Amino acid sequence: DQQVKQNSPSLSVQEGRISILNCDYTNSMFDYFLWYKKYPAEGPTFLISISSIKDKNEDGRFTVFLNKSAKHLSLHIVPSQPGDSAVYFCAASARGFGNEKLTFGTGTRLTIIP
Amino acid sequence: EPEVTQTPSHQVTQMGQEVILRCVPISNHLYFYWYRQILGQKVEFLVSFYNNEISEKSEIFDDQFSVERPDGSNFTLKIRSTKLEDSAMYFCASRGTATTNEKLFFGSGTQLSVL
Repeated sequence: DQQVKQNSPSLSVQEGRISILNCDYTNSMFDYFLWYKKYPAEGPTFLISISSIKDKNEDGRFTVFLNKSAKHLSLHIVPSQPGDSAVYFCAASARGFGNEKLTFGTGTRLTIIP
Repeated sequence: EPEVTQTPSHQVTQMGQEVILRCVPISNHLYFYWYRQILGQKVEFLVSFYNNEISEKSEIFDDQFSVERPDGSNFTLKIRSTKLEDSAMYFCASRGTATTNEKLFFGSGTQLSVL
């Protein structure tokens, strides 16, 4: 049951460049999408979210893009910093149906090279 | 920033034993969750809890699992008879409302190892 997929298990990016992390989903009931960041030995930390009524949401260096027709979202980090090295999880929920749970992807390990 | 606290950080147990994983959610939060992550796999939803009852649970959350909020601050996950495949990192999470914000605050997890 892979309703949320992150096809790149890892990504390396030079410091200062743009990091682009991708996520695909299959469940058309999903209407809210989130990105979480996770460091080793810590729990996931909320990064940014987007509702399905939008196609872009920006917060500082982080921008999430949503393409509903393609069932695809991406997280852009620019400029990338060494502290951004972590595992990034895409997650989705179907809020409109009272569904509180988040469905996570398998994660992408981002390494920022100084 | 307020945080969700989980204890212990590591728990080792023998197969068939009962374990209780403990969590202290953020104090004014109303919705509580358990998720788990088996090594190398995705974070999976186990159960959500609101108003002193389970609001949703996954297929993983079978009769061996139970949750409780014994007092105003703690939220526990009990596994009655652990199996090898229960070995995972268990995350507790909480949030304040159901409708306005999907942001969950996660604890740092309890690593459960079943031998």
